[in-house]
Formats: sequence, C-alpha cells, structure tokens
Amino acid sequence: GQNIDQPTEMTATEGAIVQINCTYQTSGFNGLFWYQQHAGEAPTFLSYNVLDGLEEKGRFSSFLSRSKGYSYLLLKELQMKDSASYLCAVLDSNYQLIWGAGTKLIIKP
Amino acid sequence: DTAVSQTPKYLVTQMGNDKSIKCEQNLGHDTMYWYKQDSKKFLKIMFSYNNKELIINETVPNRFSPKSPDKAHLNLHINSLELGDSAVYFCASSQEGGHRNQPQHFGDGTRLSIL
Repeated sequence: GQNIDQPTEMTATEGAIVQINCTYQTSGFNGLFWYQQHAGEAPTFLSYNVLDGLEEKGRFSSFLSRSKGYSYLLLKELQMKDSASYLCAVLDSNYQLIWGAGTKLIIKP
Repeated sequence: DTAVSQTPKYLVTQMGNDKSIKCEQNLGHDTMYWYKQDSKKFLKIMFSYNNKELIINETVPNRFSPKSPDKAHLNLHINSLELGDSAVYFCASSQEGGHRNQPQHFGDGTRLSIL
C-alpha cells in the first residue's frame, strides 16, 4: 500500500528553527509537495521537489532524498503566523497525489 | 478575483436530504478535484476530473456524484446525507496537460454539518 508518515504535532519557539519530516512509500514517484494549512482555511502550496537536494525559498526550505523516501520542510526565524498544519503529499507513478495526515506546528512566544 | 471559489461556505442540513456544493475556478486549469477533510484533518481525494477523464476514489459511496457543466465548474451532489458525511469539503484545481506536477489551488472549503 501507499503510505506517507509525518509527526502529528510539533512545538517550537518564535525565532527558532524547526524541521518537519516526511517519509513515504508509494508506487512510483513523480515529485513531493509541501502545503501549509492554517486552521479553518484552505491548504496553500509551499514547495515542490522532484530531484534530490535542498530547495530554498525565503524562510522555508524543502529537502528530498529519493533513495531514502524522505523529505523535510525547514522553517527558519519562526513567526507566530507560522502556526499551522504542514501537509506532505507525493505524486505516485499514476500522477495521483497521495497525502500525509499533516503535522500541526505550534509556535510559542 | 478569487481563483477557486466554492459555495456555500457553511451547510447545515438534516440526515436524508440531498444537497449540492458548487465550485468554480477562473485559473483556466484543466483538472478539478473534490476532497473530504474529516475531523482528524486528513485530506482524502474523492474525485479528479478533466474534460477527458473522471477518476473516482473507489471508497467514495455512490451517493456522491460530481457534475461538470464546463471546464471551469465542478459541482458535488450528495444524495441521502448521512451523519458520517459531516466534514469540510474542498474543491481544488490544477493545470495539467503535459505538466502533471503542477500544484493544486484550493477553495476555502464547505463546512457540512448533518443534524
């Protein structure tokens, strides 16, 4: 079966750095997405990785290792507004998007 | 100039009723989707649809049916609503064609509560 694992919840301090991990086992791989979802709102696109390595976009970076079936989202200089759920999703060999359950990130002052 | 809009935002109704949720996208995208997000916040794909192909998640009861009058609209019709249908339903769209790795853009969701 297809499976995406990410921690259910994480807590971090304002101004700090946090890394949210995602491991996947899917039938084929055509890329990995990270989305942010604030409570009561729609998911919004953060990043897409299809090749190994680190993609940096402002305070957010996303890393992929295809051989390990592993990705992480790195958030730097955390702000209170970063409190949200972060969803990992993988495109399988049929270009179907397989979603993780999301990681709820709580930022404390 | 909302990109993906769905109505209504809130829907409260009784068990056994039939209801529809509407979705429109003005992004010119080829493919539209319906998702269900339950109380545990897990996003489950229900349907994906473009002008060529409807893909149905086999776990979706046939009480749920997508209806697409044109490329910019994908409505969700639900018959004989049940208590377990209470959830947030998200519409989304993406540009495909030869670029099937494009991100999906989501509507604000419809919060369905069954009494």
